[in-house]
Amino acid sequence: GAVVSQHPSWVICKSGTSVKIECRSLDFQATTMFWYRQFPKQSLMLMATSNEGSKATYEQGVEKDKFLINHASLTLSTLTVTSAHPEDSSFYICSATGPLVREQFFGPGTRLTVL
Amino acid sequence: DAKTTQPPSMDCAEGRAANLPCNHSTISGNEYVYWYRQIHSQGPQYIIHGLKNNETNEMASLIITEDRKSSTLILPHATLRDTAVYYCIISNFGNEKLTFGTGTRLTIIP
Repeated sequence: GAVVSQHPSWVICKSGTSVKIECRSLDFQATTMFWYRQFPKQSLMLMATSNEGSKATYEQGVEKDKFLINHASLTLSTLTVTSAHPEDSSFYICSATGPLVREQFFGPGTRLTVL
Repeated sequence: DAKTTQPPSMDCAEGRAANLPCNHSTISGNEYVYWYRQIHSQGPQYIIHGLKNNETNEMASLIITEDRKSSTLILPHATLRDTAVYYCIISNFGNEKLTFGTGTRLTIIP
């Protein structure tokens, strides 16, 4: 299957700072990328859907001004957690797909710890 | 999307076939059954999907009942590396947003 990478794989930051997470599709053009969040011992929860060149669509309850998503190219989407707080500590996972693809390819995840 | 019901956990002996059931009684005619798995602290991995017919690939087999209200994922010769949480997901197209339930935690026992 296709390869999706995320960077960084883990990050520790102080409360109030902003953190950017990158999601890259390495071998196919990802017209759509999804961002999920997973808290310990819980399932994945979709945060937002981003289509290349368009504004992201956020799920109910997800603050769009806090979780900034940019999908400026067919191979890169970024999630910026602004003014991070300890409750934002979680495992953030992206997935990528395209119009001719019947499944989603997931990145390895980024573990964010906010002190 | 249709809701799915899976047992919360299962054990399987190494080398034996692991059979993971999923109920999706409200599935509609154009919805597919997808299976993903998530090994601890990793992103989910696509396994297989099907519409009506049984499917097989290098990882697993998917058996869908004739009424499409349930399905079974079969890992023919389970290894320790198959220990993971397995998610059964119903979706119109695999490239749309997915709703993950609680899945089945499969533990392969040496």
